[in-house]
Amino acid sequence: GIQVEQSPPDLILQEGANSTLRCNFSDSVNNLQWFHQNPWGQLINLFYIPSGTKQNGRLSATTVATERYSLLYISSSQTTDSGVYFCAVDEGYSTLTFGKGTMLLVSP
Amino acid sequence: GAGVSQSPSNKVTEKGKDVELRCDPISGHTALYWYRQSLGQGLEFLIYFQGNSAPDKSGLPSDRFSAERTGGSVSTLTIQRTQQEDSAVYLCASSLVAGGLNEQFFGPGTRLTVL
Repeated sequence: GIQVEQSPPDLILQEGANSTLRCNFSDSVNNLQWFHQNPWGQLINLFYIPSGTKQNGRLSATTVATERYSLLYISSSQTTDSGVYFCAVDEGYSTLTFGKGTMLLVSP
Repeated sequence: GAGVSQSPSNKVTEKGKDVELRCDPISGHTALYWYRQSLGQGLEFLIYFQGNSAPDKSGLPSDRFSAERTGGSVSTLTIQRTQQEDSAVYLCASSLVAGGLNEQFFGPGTRLTVL
């Protein structure tokens, strides 16, 4: 099956800093989603981005499908951004394969 | 409903007992998915439904696990003769239809603890 690798595994930032999270995948995909898992375990949809670039406030994402990677940018980070960020892909079987996540801690 | 709902939010059971977990998808979503999240295995797919049919059951870890969906809406995941390794958070998701370009939305999960 498809392999999904996320980097870095852990990230510690000062409030106000910017960061880039990366997701590499081993095969072509129909669907790619970024999620934020909050401290209560809820998976919150950030982006649905099989290709191209999208922006939502301080967050933006870019997927280069031909090169099999996606990037999530967080600007002016806040303590509420803390949590685990997951990338998940659908290679055509309708189900999502998740990476292991990036654990982000934003300190005040 | 406004989002995917799951019940119970927490379940503690004794080894060997059966448990039922329930998922209510977003209104109008025809596809429903079950995943589980555990420390050792991360987030992994279990089974999905398109309508009341389950085209892919490949993720179910053993024959102790089963799921059904009736009326194209609510789904129940049943684990028989629970084992300690079944302890995990069970997540349900839904999308408009399965496959294609369809975004999945997740419920809050059921945390299962098998003593």
